[in-house]
Amino acid sequence: QVQLQESGPGLVKPSQTLSLTCSVSGGSISSGSYYWSWIRQPAGKGLEWIGRIYTSGNTDYNPSLKSRVTISIDTSRNQFSLTLGSVTAADTATYYCARVSWGYCHGGPCPYYMDVWGKGTTVTVSS
Amino acid sequence: DIVMTQSPDSLAVSLGERATINCKSSQSLLYSSNNKNYLAWYQQKPGQPPKLLVYWASTRESGVPDRFSGSGSGTDFTLTINSLQAEDVAVYYCLQYYTTPRTFGQGTKVEIK
Repeated sequence: QVQLQESGPGLVKPSQTLSLTCSVSGGSISSGSYYWSWIRQPAGKGLEWIGRIYTSGNTDYNPSLKSRVTISIDTSRNQFSLTLGSVTAADTATYYCARVSWGYCHGGPCPYYMDVWGKGTTVTVSS
Repeated sequence: DIVMTQSPDSLAVSLGERATINCKSSQSLLYSSNNKNYLAWYQQKPGQPPKLLVYWASTRESGVPDRFSGSGSGTDFTLTINSLQAEDVAVYYCLQYYTTPRTFGQGTKVEIK
């Protein structure tokens, strides 16, 4: 059974870059046609989709964060990562990584809903 | 972006009674080529990640108790919890996966009356 685990610094200074890694166990990140996603949740608030990456390396980002976000994948380490630049206090949140279910459409894989989630890691932006 | 609006924001239900949560999307989530609604429901308990309950608006995820059911089509959807149990206390979210960016409802908190 696939499991995901987020890791990274719990404290980041304003204007710096937040970097998190999601380690996938119980299956190969490059097997099948899965997409892999990042979602965040400020304390006591709702969920915000950050973006996703396909095993090929193709990415999609939330336009609200696109200028500051990069998601990458390292199939050799069975990991994918999130970097968010120029952080402010508004980026303080619990960050989740998740596997995205998929199906075939238009002759290729299409991403659907997030079906397996990591436990989340809390990141605070503060000096 | 598709805006997802849930109602109510919170509700208190007696044990064994029914809880009904609504989710409305700003545009249709029904894809005509496959007649599927691109809507999922999640349950989130304190300190835990969201857990997938329902996808395709009405398909229950494996292992989810059958007291949870999803319905609706187009822009209006409902998650029903029949015979509420103490372990169902949580915040419930709807998610649209019809288009990018994915967007969630603001959440509905379910408590015991």
